[in-house]
Amino acid sequence: SQQGEEDPQALSIQEGENATMNCSYKTSINNLQWYRQNSGRGLVHLILIRSNEREKHSGRLRVTLDTSKKSSSLLITASRAADTASYFCATDAGNQFYFGTGTSLTVIP
Amino acid sequence: EAQVTQNPRYLITVTGKKLTVTCSQNMNHEYMSWYRQDPGLGLRQIYYSMNVEVTDKGDVPEGYKVSRKEKRNFPLILESPSPNQTSLYFCASSWGGQGIDGYTFGSGTRLTVV
Repeated sequence: SQQGEEDPQALSIQEGENATMNCSYKTSINNLQWYRQNSGRGLVHLILIRSNEREKHSGRLRVTLDTSKKSSSLLITASRAADTASYFCATDAGNQFYFGTGTSLTVIP
Repeated sequence: EAQVTQNPRYLITVTGKKLTVTCSQNMNHEYMSWYRQDPGLGLRQIYYSMNVEVTDKGDVPEGYKVSRKEKRNFPLILESPSPNQTSLYFCASSWGGQGIDGYTFGSGTRLTVV
């Protein structure tokens, strides 16, 4: 069974606004990753945060990890129309690696 | 350019006609994996391979076969496709096991079985 659940399932914002999506998981993990998928295309690895890290930045992306709550958030600042995509979290729990169900983000120009 | 190449991009076939989806990576990655993506079910792992000649079942292996004769190639074989195998398929590779350092994905193969 999948262990990552993203929230919300869908998000629509205006260009320039910030977008926040959340991921909750069930078991202890080694790391958590975020991926982006443009419609019908392959997933693209965005960022990886290890279990001993609390926050990580990459360009306009900011990821936080709270292992006590088993949750992570992805913040995209100053969103652009090109950020329109589905975003997935993925958890590495040692011998198990699972993708969440995804958040569909629409950025309106 | 570092990439995972899948072929074909689109495939329509009939029930029972054997098919192979090819996957090749040029990054010398040890680990390769096949996923299928279905609406409402997300990505589910079909098979994975830790190295040459080492393959293992994922969560949904029924109806599929794989082989890893060379490090760079990891074809997915459907011996007798059925309509419930209509899906979007992705091949992925990574340095470490199970994508622990981040997967590189292929562009996908959209398979329709009629």
